[in-house]
Amino acid sequence: GAGVSQSPSNKVTEKGKDVELRCDPISGHTALYWYRQSLGQGLEFLIYFQGNSAPDKSGLPSDRFSAERTGGSVSTLTIQRTQQEDSAVYLCASSIGQGAVSATEAFFGQGTRLTVV
Amino acid sequence: AQKVTQAQTEISVVEKEDVTLDCVYETRDTTYYLFWYKQPPSGELVFLIRRNSFDEQNEISGRYSWNFQKSTSSFNFTITASQVVDSAVYFCALSERARGTGKLIFGQGTTLQVKP
Repeated sequence: GAGVSQSPSNKVTEKGKDVELRCDPISGHTALYWYRQSLGQGLEFLIYFQGNSAPDKSGLPSDRFSAERTGGSVSTLTIQRTQQEDSAVYLCASSIGQGAVSATEAFFGQGTRLTVV
Repeated sequence: AQKVTQAQTEISVVEKEDVTLDCVYETRDTTYYLFWYKQPPSGELVFLIRRNSFDEQNEISGRYSWNFQKSTSSFNFTITASQVVDSAVYFCALSERARGTGKLIFGQGTTLQVKP
């Protein structure tokens, strides 16, 4: 597609339920990132995928959070046993790749607003 | 550790005023990139600029200008003759090339309100 697409745009879930958030990066972009934007916490890095390399999971806040990227394209962020503090906007971004362009422009999706009640 | 500080939480100006958004960063790496992103009410982060740590030249793009000073670890953003459409949250971010990823460390953001 023309841009990074995320679905759903809004998700309300009950505490304790599992949720899956989806990200479709820009075609041809090998790098994919997940960030979380919470009130009062700013934007925090969660996880990074680059091609077939092992992902950088250093930002995942707990083992309830996991992410996959299938076929080097679509990514799914899964939150198990959701808690109220998981409520936030989850943003996905993609960029061309690493190496000489490792810090090239990242294109962001519009995010998924997750509300845990 | 890497850190980005945007000390101004909220700024309010009247249209046509100039406004400067401050950004101070911390990093131990010698090679890094600095960014500014705009987040309008729609929520999508929009890339504004990327600056390489070796390039300290200031940059101007229309009403936007950026002042990068390594001596003070600052990368400030000025909007000249502000307009209502400039109202948004602005984020400064740091990426360390030496770490081999494009992972961004964001500041807390500055909410800019431009009143007509």
